[in-house]
Amino acid sequence: RKEVEQDPGPFNVPEGATVAFNCTYSNSASQSFFWYRQDCRKEPKLLMSVYSSGNEDGRFTAQLNRASQYISLLIRDSKLSDSATYLCVKDAGNMLTFGGGTRLMVKP
Amino acid sequence: DTEVTQTPKHLVMGMTNKKSLKCEQHMGHRAMYWYKQKAKKPPELMFVYSYEKLSINESVPSRFSPECPNSSLLNLHLHALQPEDSALYLCASSHPGQTSEQYFGPGTRLTVT
Repeated sequence: RKEVEQDPGPFNVPEGATVAFNCTYSNSASQSFFWYRQDCRKEPKLLMSVYSSGNEDGRFTAQLNRASQYISLLIRDSKLSDSATYLCVKDAGNMLTFGGGTRLMVKP
Repeated sequence: DTEVTQTPKHLVMGMTNKKSLKCEQHMGHRAMYWYKQKAKKPPELMFVYSYEKLSINESVPSRFSPECPNSSLLNLHLHALQPEDSALYLCASSHPGQTSEQYFGPGTRLTVT
């Protein structure tokens, strides 16, 4: 079993839709988790840090469920510019382990 | 300034060449990283430097040789690479510690012919 697993998608949604991604992880020793977004042929960019039960930043909400070992990312009111690959990342002392990524395509 | 810079952006090299990738950050971070990313795959950690000392080497072949001349610079020296080493090489930096976000540079796209 991979340490961080994501549904690769793609998720095809219309503008304005709400979309949610889930990510499951193993090895619960990790202290923190992140969501990064990566555009085609670009570097990963930090989207959100998830340190405790979760947090919210504008249209984005991340939640962490340690008991069930999953993290979710909710995007409300999707924009065309949200189209990207979303990477779920586990941090164990400066060592990041990436999930395979979930591809989101927002259509007009 | 939350920027990590990398040079060159693109590099084509033969299997007998020696080349170097460079990374620079001015965020005061004392941990720096090299990742390798193949197409449609997530980044894979290669090396971690903490306070200018190599702390993690993820069993990377010796044809990749990292160097950290000072707290702002990180190099990756390449020699006798194979075509399968063609990939996007990403540098990142962070504060050392248990929970610290890593910031990535734009990467060097390497092609080995």
